[in-house]
Amino acid sequence: DAKTTQPPSMDCAEGRAANLPCNHSTISGNEYVYWYRQIHSQGPQYIIHGLKNNETNEMASLIITEDRKSSTLILPHATLRDTAVYYCIVRVLGNTPLVFGKGTRLSVIA
Amino acid sequence: EAGVTQFPSHSVIEKGQTVTLRCDPISGHDNLYWYRRVMGKEIKFLLHFVKESKQDESGMPNNRFLAERTGGTYSTLKVQPAELEDSGVYFCASSLNRGIANSPLHFGNGTRLTVT
Repeated sequence: DAKTTQPPSMDCAEGRAANLPCNHSTISGNEYVYWYRQIHSQGPQYIIHGLKNNETNEMASLIITEDRKSSTLILPHATLRDTAVYYCIVRVLGNTPLVFGKGTRLSVIA
Repeated sequence: EAGVTQFPSHSVIEKGQTVTLRCDPISGHDNLYWYRRVMGKEIKFLLHFVKESKQDESGMPNNRFLAERTGGTYSTLKVQPAELEDSGVYFCASSLNRGIANSPLHFGNGTRLTVT
């Protein structure tokens, strides 16, 4: 079972920042936080991951709280193409499989 | 770099028939994973190969499903005989093998299987 809790849906205005929260209160010290998204009829797409430090790449920023019990994915300037289901996943070190939950359905509105 | 490729993109078969799905991982990726999503449900893990060896097949639903990865390159997932409840989207993913370090999984666009 997924070890994360996410809101089922969120809306965001185009051009604004989208902030997607995730709770993972039972995360272990050797577990990373991963974010993926699935745009309709495509496979899940990797966005970003982190252990305890904040991370940023060309797609998004990941903010992890100091106690690591929650995190926020930030899409700085959401576009209509960012409309998707976003999954927050905790994953232990190594090559273990990802365990998907229900995710958050983000709708970017013009 | 070519991504993960899955074939076919769609398959419609009758109950009782056999279907074989194929996945070509990203070149150099030793890890290969199969997942599926049935209607209205979450994406579920099926099994994990490291090269040609099955590392974890705890998610395989029953013995009608057979996965192979001969030679440690592409993989096939055979369903024989297919049942109505096997309908869904089957995803394949691959990743580098970095030992205890984490390497992101890269997914294909899936095969949509419809059993009638």
